[in-house]
Amino acid sequence: DQQVKQNSPSLSVQEGRISILNCDYTNSMFDYFLWYKKYPAEGPTFLISISSIKDKNEDGRFTVFLNKSAKHLSLHIVPSQPGDSAVYFCAARYNFNKFYFGSGTKLNVKP
Amino acid sequence: DGGITQSPKYLFRKEGQNVTLSCEQNLNHDAMYWYRQDPGQGLRLIYYSQIVNDFQKGDIAEGYSVSREKKESFPLTVTSAQKNPTAFYLCASSIDWGTEAFFGQGTRLTVV
Repeated sequence: DQQVKQNSPSLSVQEGRISILNCDYTNSMFDYFLWYKKYPAEGPTFLISISSIKDKNEDGRFTVFLNKSAKHLSLHIVPSQPGDSAVYFCAARYNFNKFYFGSGTKLNVKP
Repeated sequence: DGGITQSPKYLFRKEGQNVTLSCEQNLNHDAMYWYRQDPGQGLRLIYYSQIVNDFQKGDIAEGYSVSREKKESFPLTVTSAQKNPTAFYLCASSIDWGTEAFFGQGTRLTVV
């Protein structure tokens, strides 16, 4: 039973446009959410996070939005660049000690 | 350079053999984790350790064992009891419990 779901396995976006990656979760007790980025043959790297007490966190071109009532998390990348092409995982923390990961969305940014 | 090193990158083993995956970190992190990734699925937690000489089972610990004798090292043994061991294994560490993790490059294990 997957508690964190990324329903879009892939997304293709033109360079310069906005990329929106989505993540849904089922457990209302999750208190902290993260996005990781993974290039082929490398481990995931941390990108951005948000606490459950906030609804938005921004870091440069990356913004994460949290809608707790909908149990929905999204990552916006503006403007998208070809170097952003990677697999993006969302993760949610439970009880301060366990992280649950989505299955990932492969983003392709076309030049 | 600080980081997490997993070795080897690719590993092949015959069915029925135990195999140990190495994970070393020089980040001085207290917490370490092992995850497994299968196609179309998220990372699933196998074992985690908050501190030296202590570790806890994750969601899919059956058929696996770990040790944490040193802060820097958290090896994972895939035993013959693991029904479906072929997968991509990721080791991670974090400064503190419950904070964002740093991942190694992973080990792809294939059991034939």
